Amino acid sequence: DTEVTQTPKHLVMGMTNKKSLKCEQHMGHRAMYWYKQKAKKPPELMFVYSYEKLSINESVPSRFSPECPNSSLLNLHLHALQPEDSALYLCASSPFQGDYGYTFGSGTRLTVV
Amino acid sequence: AQSVTQPDIHITVSEGASLELRCNYSYGATPYLFWYVQSPGQGLQLLLKYFSGDTLVQGIKGFEAEFKRSQSSFNLRKPSVHWSDAAEYFCAVGHSGGYQKVTFGTGTKLQVIP
Repeated sequence: DTEVTQTPKHLVMGMTNKKSLKCEQHMGHRAMYWYKQKAKKPPELMFVYSYEKLSINESVPSRFSPECPNSSLLNLHLHALQPEDSALYLCASSPFQGDYGYTFGSGTRLTVV
Repeated sequence: AQSVTQPDIHITVSEGASLELRCNYSYGATPYLFWYVQSPGQGLQLLLKYFSGDTLVQGIKGFEAEFKRSQSSFNLRKPSVHWSDAAEYFCAVGHSGGYQKVTFGTGTKLQVIP
């Protein structure tokens, strides 16, 4: 299995909703990442988990809350988002944090209304 | 700080023609450099990577890139483009030291015409 699976593929949520994005990999990778990508822009790093511990938080607002319950799963909990948070959210993994050959999922297209 | 610049926002080539996408990096030591491709609405796929050693790197889908320290460049090439190569291409640099992360360039959108 050489894939990173993200669910759901599309999500529409109101500004008062709570939702979660899920990311799963079974490649034995010990580093996992959340990226945010706005239209026609490059991906921007949000969080890095290394061996299930938060390693990097790129000053992301607290309405985004990451969680890594085990080495295969990465969640992003969303609460009280703003319309400007609408974007493609990408999950990636790599064997370890210093290995930059990432495997990306196909992303979750999030729309905040 | 490490960074990459992609000077071309949009490139159009004819199917079967050769392709070169430009990437310039800013980094004091030997950088970790990458090229990723993204089809519309999809995630990114790693095409190739350079860490050290041979400056000509072969990747997937017939792509190659050449690291030129004298020009601070890592350009992506393909001898004959196929319609399926139409996508967004991102050059990226990996940071070394304690803050290990990847920074992406702004991307080059490739259009392939028949």
